[in-house]
Amino acid sequence: GQQLNQSPQSMFIQEGEDVSMNCTSSSIFNTWLWYKQDPGEGPVLLIALYKAGELTSNGRLTAQFGITRKDSFLNISASIPSDVGIYFCAGQPQGAQKLVFGQGTRLTINP
Amino acid sequence: DGGITQSPKYLFRKEGQNVTLSCEQNLNHDAMYWYRQDPGQGLRLIYYSQIVNDFQKGDIAEGYSVSREKKESFPLTVTSAQKNPTAFYLCASSMGGLHTGELFFGEGSRLTVL
Repeated sequence: GQQLNQSPQSMFIQEGEDVSMNCTSSSIFNTWLWYKQDPGEGPVLLIALYKAGELTSNGRLTAQFGITRKDSFLNISASIPSDVGIYFCAGQPQGAQKLVFGQGTRLTINP
Repeated sequence: DGGITQSPKYLFRKEGQNVTLSCEQNLNHDAMYWYRQDPGQGLRLIYYSQIVNDFQKGDIAEGYSVSREKKESFPLTVTSAQKNPTAFYLCASSMGGLHTGELFFGEGSRLTVL
């Protein structure tokens, strides 16, 4: 099946630092989404992107839908302890009714 | 409050036993999904349903079965045919259509087969 390459797999940063992660695909996606999962919980939607080139913010989070429709990035500014968790990108391929998920980026923050 | 509820949160079973995981939503969503998550892995789609009385296999449907008799409910049965059933199972729902990708997840059910 289709796959998304999400990187990095893990990040260890200091509180207050900015974070950047991205996802790439070999095929075109109509929708890109970013989710966050806390330990032992279900993922929660952070940002949904529907147009190529779209740049959307949600508080300290900013995500972009790549112009080629094959990639997306998520930035977190001025990280805080509650940002710890696993971040997943997900995409809806052209003509498909189901999502494809990336492998996740595990974010750890040192206070 | 509207939401999606999975039960049980933790479940232990012996090898060879069938297990049914419950998923209920009161969001009036048409579409419902079951995902499997293994440690350090992403989410893999087991089954999904876009409308009552209809469902489709996902990427890893072998050894699993589902039903969608009511809009609110989408139970998942892990059968004895599933070779490695120990995992974290996540149910999700969405409005479907243009908002198909905007999933609302339950809190998950962790199944351990002894």
